[in-house]
Amino acid sequence: AQSVTQPDIHITVSEGASLELRCNYSYGATPYLFWYVQSPGQGLQLLLKYFSGDTLVQGIKGFEAEFKRSQSSFNLRKPSVHWSDAAEYFCAVALDSGGYQKVTFGTGTKLQVIP
Amino acid sequence: KAGVTQTPRYLIKTRGQQVTLSCSPISGHRSVSWYQQTPGQGLQFLFEYFSETQRNKGNFPGRFSGRQFSNSRSEMNVSTLELGDSALYLCASSLGWLAGAQETQYFGPGTRLLVL
Repeated sequence: AQSVTQPDIHITVSEGASLELRCNYSYGATPYLFWYVQSPGQGLQLLLKYFSGDTLVQGIKGFEAEFKRSQSSFNLRKPSVHWSDAAEYFCAVALDSGGYQKVTFGTGTKLQVIP
Repeated sequence: KAGVTQTPRYLIKTRGQQVTLSCSPISGHRSVSWYQQTPGQGLQFLFEYFSETQRNKGNFPGRFSGRQFSNSRSEMNVSTLELGDSALYLCASSLGWLAGAQETQYFGPGTRLLVL
């Protein structure tokens, strides 16, 4: 069965520091890969996604993610975190399964930003 | 341009009842996806409708069903409600979020369902 792992339940970073949130998946084929962010004021938003091609994907709000096939990873990065980035981040994958795209979410990483 | 709207925003039902939730996508969007979020199970994908056809689906029992109308509005129905169906139900609209790298999704505020 497909699975998505976000190993960090909670991360705290200082404002202005760099950020990397980890995401690993377990599939043989290359799935579609997504990062979402959920905050109380903004609801759920799609940050970025990878379908094919360039393995470095740019998203909204200054985020980027890099797909590494050899490591089955799709880590989310931001060079300088802002206080407004405090939220919960979800990684998701979609894989062809019997004519459908099966979508699985990770358990999420809560980001706290300190001054 | 109006965003994604979901009605009702809050709902209380009892076990065994059925419920219908509605999602109105952004004008021009043909894809509507539904998600369930609970503290225990996290975010789970229910299904996606595109141009009135179910295009993708998650691992939910047949009690969960949906449909999409010609104006792209979508409804989700849950029959024979169970306590575990208490959740935040989110819908998202897009031109076709799994269609290509340039397509994005826009989420509604959700419907919070409580089953007693």
